Amino acid sequence: AQSVAQPEDQVNVAEGNPLTVKCTYSVSGNPYLFWYVQYPNRGLQFLLKYITGDNLVKGSYGFEAEFNKSQTSFHLKKPSALVSDSALYFCAVRSDGAGSYQLTFGKGTKLSVIP
Amino acid sequence: EAGVAQSPRYKIIEKRQSVAFWCNPISGHATLYWYQQILGQGPKLLIQFQNNGVVDDSQLPKDRFSAERLKGVDSTLKIQPAKLEDSAVYLCASSLMTVEYNEQFFGPGTRLTVL
Repeated sequence: AQSVAQPEDQVNVAEGNPLTVKCTYSVSGNPYLFWYVQYPNRGLQFLLKYITGDNLVKGSYGFEAEFNKSQTSFHLKKPSALVSDSALYFCAVRSDGAGSYQLTFGKGTKLSVIP
Repeated sequence: EAGVAQSPRYKIIEKRQSVAFWCNPISGHATLYWYQQILGQGPKLLIQFQNNGVVDDSQLPKDRFSAERLKGVDSTLKIQPAKLEDSAVYLCASSLMTVEYNEQFFGPGTRLTVL
């Protein structure tokens, strides 16, 4: 069964500092990987995805993520955090066909950017 | 472009009562998903439609949950009878088609409280 682990329930970072939100995955076949962000009382918003090709993926709002096949990781990064980045972040994985077609989410990581 | 619409936004019911949620996906999106998000967890897929056909309902508790998408556009999710453990946010999402790497667009969700 495919799964996603987000080892940190909460990440605190000072405004202007770089941020990293960690994600590791397990899937049969090749992974399609996604990051979504959820603001309070709102649905999930798509940030970025990895399908194939370049391991560094750039997305919305200055976020990027690095795919590492050997470590089965897909960490979310941003060079300089903003207070407005404070939200709940979800990593998700889907198989390219060898496993389940379902999109499996992690439990989420709460990011707090401190002014 | 209008996003995914859901109603109601909030619902409080007694256990053993019934409840229904409505979703209108983004125009032109063939694939529609219903997720259950319990507090502190990531979304879990309940059912996936491709047009008006069911693609995956393996995690739908069919003894009490039902869903339909009769004309391939709007969808309703029903719970009858509700249990305390059904308290959650129910998210509707849509995507252009059932391709593994297509991102999903989420509605704001319906927060259900079962007393």
